[in-house]
Amino acid sequence: AQSVTQLDSQVPVFEEAPVELRCNYSSSVSVYLFWYVQYPNQGLQLLLKYLSGSTLVKGINGFEAEFNKSQTSFHLRKPSVHISDTAEYFCAVSDQGFQKLVFGTGTRLLVSP
Amino acid sequence: EAQVTQNPRYLITVTGKKLTVTCSQNMNHEYMSWYRQDPGLGLRQIYYSMNVEVTDKGDVPEGYKVSRKEKRNFPLILESPSPNQTSLYFCASSLAGRSYEQYFGPGTRLTVT
Repeated sequence: AQSVTQLDSQVPVFEEAPVELRCNYSSSVSVYLFWYVQYPNQGLQLLLKYLSGSTLVKGINGFEAEFNKSQTSFHLRKPSVHISDTAEYFCAVSDQGFQKLVFGTGTRLLVSP
Repeated sequence: EAQVTQNPRYLITVTGKKLTVTCSQNMNHEYMSWYRQDPGLGLRQIYYSMNVEVTDKGDVPEGYKVSRKEKRNFPLILESPSPNQTSLYFCASSLAGRSYEQYFGPGTRLTVT
C-alpha cells in the first residue's frame, strides 16, 4: 500500500525567504506524486505533478518539486515566498490505475512580513 | 464556469438526525469522490464513484452512504450522524483515468452535537 509522510506540520517563514516542504513516500510499485494547495477556506487545487520523465517538475505560482527515487522523497520548494503563499500544502501519491489519491497529513506554510 | 458545488456549506445538527450533503459538478467528469479532513489526519477518502451506478468504499466509509444516479451528482448521506463525524467534508471530481487531477468543492463544515 502507498503512503506519504509529511514530517512538518507547520513551517513559518519570512516573506522573500526560500522554503522547502518535505514529503517522503512509501510504495512497492511505480509512483505518481502530487502536491496540492489549500488556501484558507477553500478546497484543494493541484499545484504540480510527477508522472514520469524529468525528476524536476514545475508547478503554478513558482513552486517546484524534485522526485528522488533513492531517497523516496518529493520535496516542494520555492526560492522566494510571498504572503499570498500562506496555505496548507498536501503531498499525495496515486496508485498505478489512478483510481485514488492518498494524501499526507499536510504542512501549514505561514509567511510573515 | 467549471466548478464543483456543495450544499450546505455549514451545518450543525444533532446525533441521529439523518442528513444529506449534496455535490454537483458541471464538467462531465466520470470520477467523483468524498473526503473528510480532520486536524492532524489530512484528507481521508470516504467513498468514490468511477461512473454512474458504480461506487466503492474508500478508507473510512463507516457511517456514510452514497449514490450516483446521475453523472453530475454524488450526494453523501449520513443516516444516523454521531459526534465523531464532526468534520470538514470535501467533494471532488475528475476525468476517468485522471483521478490525480481532482477538482475540489469548497467544503462543508459539519458539526454533530
